Amino acid sequence: GNSVTQMEGPVTLSEEAFLTINCTYTATGYPSLFWYVQYPGEGLQLLLKATKADDKGSNKGFEATYRKETTSFHLEKGSVQVSDSAVYFCASKGSNYKLTFGKGTLLTVNP
Amino acid sequence: DAGVIQSPRHEVTEMGQEVTLRCKPISGHNSLFWYRQTMMRGLELLIYFNNNVPIDDSGMPEDRFSAKMPNASFSTLKIQPSEPRDSAVYFCASSLGTSGSTGELFFGEGSRLTVL
Repeated sequence: GNSVTQMEGPVTLSEEAFLTINCTYTATGYPSLFWYVQYPGEGLQLLLKATKADDKGSNKGFEATYRKETTSFHLEKGSVQVSDSAVYFCASKGSNYKLTFGKGTLLTVNP
Repeated sequence: DAGVIQSPRHEVTEMGQEVTLRCKPISGHNSLFWYRQTMMRGLELLIYFNNNVPIDDSGMPEDRFSAKMPNASFSTLKIQPSEPRDSAVYFCASSLGTSGSTGELFFGEGSRLTVL
């Protein structure tokens, strides 16, 4: 079945630092890939997605590129803000309904 | 527009008691999911409904857990009897399309359950 592995946190950065959160997947076929974000006390919300190889998803300054050759979908942001502090989940989805989530990475951004 | 609405937000109960969690999906969404989130196991899919019909309940931990969706605007997740290991945050999520096809799930704010 599908699986998603993302880097373990927590990740602590200073404001304006560069962020990378690694994510790799295993799947049969070509899944769609997602990053979800969970702010404190809230449910998850979709941050960005990519549905085929070489697609780049982007939103709110975050980017991730679907790399088929390395089965990766790493999340990046050039300059993080305190308000980006949250838990980030990588996820994959095959042809059926099931969204497979990674374990989440806690990001803390200090002023 | 209202998002996914869950109640209660917090529930503290004693072992052996019945717990009922409620969810109102986004109007027009035809897929509904119940997830459980714990530190140890992350997000686990418990059950998936499509057009009010349970399609996959393989994630339901055991017979103490049951879920219903009597109509398109309401679902419940019941635990009877509850145990301390059921303590977790339970999320309801909904989506539009056949088999949740877009992959974009809309989550509620969760119900934090503590079983003493």
